[in-house]
Amino acid sequence: EAGVAQSPRYKIIEKRQSVAFWCNPISGHATLYWYQQILGQGPKLLIQFQNNGVVDDSQLPKDRFSAERLKGVDSTLKIQPAKLEDSAVYLCASSFRDSNYGYTFGSGTRLTVV
Amino acid sequence: GEDVEQSLFLSVREGDSSVINCTYTDSSSTYLYWYKQEPGAGLQLLTYIFSNMDMKQDQRLTVLLNKKDKHLSLRIADTQTGDSAIYFCAESQTGANNLFFGTGTRLTVIP
Repeated sequence: EAGVAQSPRYKIIEKRQSVAFWCNPISGHATLYWYQQILGQGPKLLIQFQNNGVVDDSQLPKDRFSAERLKGVDSTLKIQPAKLEDSAVYLCASSFRDSNYGYTFGSGTRLTVV
Repeated sequence: GEDVEQSLFLSVREGDSSVINCTYTDSSSTYLYWYKQEPGAGLQLLTYIFSNMDMKQDQRLTVLLNKKDKHLSLRIADTQTGDSAIYFCAESQTGANNLFFGTGTRLTVIP
């Protein structure tokens, strides 16, 4: 099966600019996650979708971050405006359902804010 | 909140065994995982263990869980250069899906 697809792989922007990341999960996976991985740290959950509904966005900085999964398939994560501390790898993952058996990660988008 | 800790670095010689350790604080952790991250790649699930188990073996990988001490370890037998990567320990609770990750252990295998 095809893996979790993410684009772009790399993005460099200036602070206060906007940026968007795209994720296409594995076909049939109802649950989609966005994680932020800052250099030298483990990933931290930003938002979790079940189909097109938000399950958990408690760690999402809602003043600047937004995410949507309108048709319950692919998803976009947006940052507006970006800050220097948003430099990180943004990982998308998906699972077949509410799964405690781990899930499949994409390769991530590396964002550098200068 | 949940806290998952790992040592940052480990170096072993090719052919030796590697043991990567992890401690966690949340006693309600039910599922514990080991993920591998190679440079420029996403995280790959290696193995997982339920909290009612003490040990799980899968080919070269052995996971040991000491629930009393909240200590998890991953042993890689006959370590190869291809095993060089960052290894993350993660935990989640029953009915919840958020994975809490450690900071990762960078394993370097010396030929």
